[in-house]
Amino acid sequence: GAVVSQHPSWVICKSGTSVKIECRSLDFQATTMFWYRQFPKQSLMLMATSNEGSKATYEQGVEKDKFLINHASLTLSTLTVTSAHPEDSSFYICSARVPYNEQFFGPGTRLTVL
Amino acid sequence: SQQGEEDPQALSIQEGENATMNCSYKTSINNLQWYRQNSGRGLVHLILIRSNEREKHSGRLRVTLDTSKKSSSLLITASRAADTASYFCATDDGATNKLIFGTGTLLAVQP
Repeated sequence: GAVVSQHPSWVICKSGTSVKIECRSLDFQATTMFWYRQFPKQSLMLMATSNEGSKATYEQGVEKDKFLINHASLTLSTLTVTSAHPEDSSFYICSARVPYNEQFFGPGTRLTVL
Repeated sequence: SQQGEEDPQALSIQEGENATMNCSYKTSINNLQWYRQNSGRGLVHLILIRSNEREKHSGRLRVTLDTSKKSSSLLITASRAADTASYFCATDDGATNKLIFGTGTLLAVQP
């Protein structure tokens, strides 16, 4: 199947700093990527849909100014957590899909904000 | 937003036994998918069943879909300790390209 990578795998940062997470589709082009957040022992919550060449679509309750998404090419989407706070600590997972088929998920990035 | 719920929330069985997990959803779907997640890791796609299908098999996995009841089940036969993971259903409405996940079932298979 298709491979999606994320970088970094984990990151620890101080409160108030910004963190950028990259999501890449390695062997296919993805016009649409998705960003999810998962808190411990909970399910994945969709944060936003990232569209290549246009603005991301955010789910209700997700602050677009805090979670900046850029989908600059068909193989790369980035999520920047701006002015991170401890409550932003979570597991962030991206995915890319082939339309009407399964999504391919990245391995996730664990963010810990001190 | 979460599409629906899975039950049980957690399940512990002995190796060799079968495990059944159920998923209920709320809206019309194009397809429903099942994923597995080992603790702290990414998701692994297990199986996709389309809205016009009722049952699908893949190795030791059997998935059923009842669109009239808006529910699906995942059966893992002859379970192994390595099957220990969280299992999530996810629905695709076919219009928005989004996948909406259920609450998940934590399966523990005791050796």
